[in-house]
Amino acid sequence: ILNVEQSPQSLHVQEGDSTSFTCSFPSSNFYALHWYRWETAKSPEALFVMTLNGDEKKKGRISATLNTKEGYSYLYIKGSQPEDSATYLCAQETSGSRLTFGEGTQLTVNP
Amino acid sequence: DGGITQSPKYLFRKEGQNVTLSCEQNLNHDAMYWYRQDPGQGLRLIYYSQIVNDFQKGDIAEGYSVSREKKESFPLTVTSAQKNPTAFYLCASSTPRQGTGGELFFGEGSRLTVL
Repeated sequence: ILNVEQSPQSLHVQEGDSTSFTCSFPSSNFYALHWYRWETAKSPEALFVMTLNGDEKKKGRISATLNTKEGYSYLYIKGSQPEDSATYLCAQETSGSRLTFGEGTQLTVNP
Repeated sequence: DGGITQSPKYLFRKEGQNVTLSCEQNLNHDAMYWYRQDPGQGLRLIYYSQIVNDFQKGDIAEGYSVSREKKESFPLTVTSAQKNPTAFYLCASSTPRQGTGGELFFGEGSRLTVL
């Protein structure tokens, strides 16, 4: 079983702060790294799927980077808003479209 | 609207009973998955299927069974052999894209409580 780890486990920030989370994963049998946002009472939604070392992706105020050689990915949120409050999940995809998820980082943005 | 429908949303079961959770998708996706979430833990893979009439065990398949007779349907049966079935169950689907399995699209989940 792969070991995908996320840190911190939870995070409280003020509206307007920028923040970042970490996802670390084993480098072996790597196909892709996924990030999802899971808001309370909703379904998880994909943010990014990254495959190449050095990949950087951006969606509005949220961006992510990928380092497959050292096995980590960062998710950044610039100017956090209360609607960014959610649990952020990362998952490593291995062969056969199989995803292994980390435990998530729970973000709370205070107005 | 395309999406994934899970039912029921809430289910109560007595010990020793089998229950089946439904998952239907109209996204025309090839792959479907079942995950389980417990408090303080990440999503854990129970079973997945990349194509009709084929499926593979995930990390915690013991006590569960699935079938994939139709592309759009992937029901999960929680059997009496599952020692701790109370949990939140999520179904997802994906289709290959750009050399990966593609992003997952999730249903809203089913919460199973064993009394």
